Amino acid sequence: NAGVTQTPKFQVLKTGQSMTLQCAQDMNHNSMYWYRQDPGMGLRLIYYSASEGTTDKGEVPNGYNVSRLNKREFSLRLESAAPSQTSVYFCASSPLGGGQAINEQFFGPGTRLTVL
Amino acid sequence: AQSVTQLDSQVPVFEEAPVELRCNYSSSVSVYLFWYVQYPNQGLQLLLKYLSGSTLVKGINGFEAEFNKSQTSFHLRKPSVHISDTAEYFCAVSFKAAGNKLTFGGGTRVLVKP
Repeated sequence: NAGVTQTPKFQVLKTGQSMTLQCAQDMNHNSMYWYRQDPGMGLRLIYYSASEGTTDKGEVPNGYNVSRLNKREFSLRLESAAPSQTSVYFCASSPLGGGQAINEQFFGPGTRLTVL
Repeated sequence: AQSVTQLDSQVPVFEEAPVELRCNYSSSVSVYLFWYVQYPNQGLQLLLKYLSGSTLVKGINGFEAEFNKSQTSFHLRKPSVHISDTAEYFCAVSFKAAGNKLTFGGGTRVLVKP
């Protein structure tokens, strides 16, 4: 039982390049989330998916897109990376939904992204 | 809008001393409450949670927290810290009236000194 896994762990991009961050969970959770963490700003929600096939914007969605490929996987795409997107990205999953009301979130180890 | 406030951004504390991290939230309606810990260069790990029942909740690594509904607070305590408790701590509140959206506080960085 690996929990929530993220790839890659580290990535360096040049401005304008694109990339996809991958996230998978093996806990059969309904909901999945993408956050970014910046110094002094805590965790900010980028996008979330309440169930397979649905996605919604969070607090800071601009410059990102997401795909809930299936119940296990939730990817985050940067189409044209900018230096302001330099951050640590965390994926999380939660059993919330399908009759489960508790939003206890389980986090992956993070991806450290630098955009030059 | 719902909000979560952690009043202290940094808390320096000596080894074996007690520590209290404060967390207040905006709404007194039904909530679920969580504390997470983030060790350097790692993801967030659940320390403890309050869902219902006893207002004093015990978690991992000797931490405990008390839910105070009238003061809308969920302060985290440990009676004697270790060097290994150096980490950032996040309070998070799930507001049932808002579809159980989880809102995080800004975090408190604890630095344990020998």
